[in-house]
Amino acid sequence: KQEVTQIPAALSVPEGENLVLNCSFTDSAIYNLQWFRQDPGKGLTSLLLIQSSQREQTSGRLNASLDKSSGRSTLYIAASQPGDSATYLCAVRPGDRGSTLGRLYFGRGTQLTVWP
Amino acid sequence: DGGITQSPKYLFRKEGQNVTLSCEQNLNHDAMYWYRQDPGQGLRLIYYSQIVNDFQKGDIAEGYSVSREKKESFPLTVTSAQKNPTAFYLCASATLQESYEQYFGPGTRLTVT
Repeated sequence: KQEVTQIPAALSVPEGENLVLNCSFTDSAIYNLQWFRQDPGKGLTSLLLIQSSQREQTSGRLNASLDKSSGRSTLYIAASQPGDSATYLCAVRPGDRGSTLGRLYFGRGTQLTVWP
Repeated sequence: DGGITQSPKYLFRKEGQNVTLSCEQNLNHDAMYWYRQDPGQGLRLIYYSQIVNDFQKGDIAEGYSVSREKKESFPLTVTSAQKNPTAFYLCASATLQESYEQYFGPGTRLTVT
């Protein structure tokens, strides 16, 4: 069974810092990997999706990389702002085309606080 | 507006009562999912459905039931058999083509006393 781990569990930084959030997964046979943001009491917002054939995806100040063979992904946040404060979750989709296709396995998230 | 709606946002029930959480999507997605989120536990999959009139158990299906009579709707019933029903429940949907990117609703917080 796929297991997803996110490190660190919590991170508190001053505004303006560049950040790296880590995600690792035990089974490298994935279809894709998705990064989400969750604000307190809200649903998840999709930030970036990386297909297994890709190495990275960028959206604004966010950059996600994927090293499938080593089972790792990183989310890089440039020039952090207080509005970036949220929990960031990583999720992987299995690569087999059986009944599990379409489901995601989630990490527990990294709770980020950016203070002014 | 396209998206996923969950209602209600907050729900309170007495122990021993069944309760049904609503999830509707107008994204024309084939697949729909129910997750449960507890503090410090992350998201756990309850049930998912990839086609109308078919669904599969996730990792924690005991005490829950679902139906998928329409593509747009995937209601979740929390039965009295669920031992610890108080949690935040999230519904999601995804297309089963190309990216399979998953989108989430705003969630329903269920409190059972």
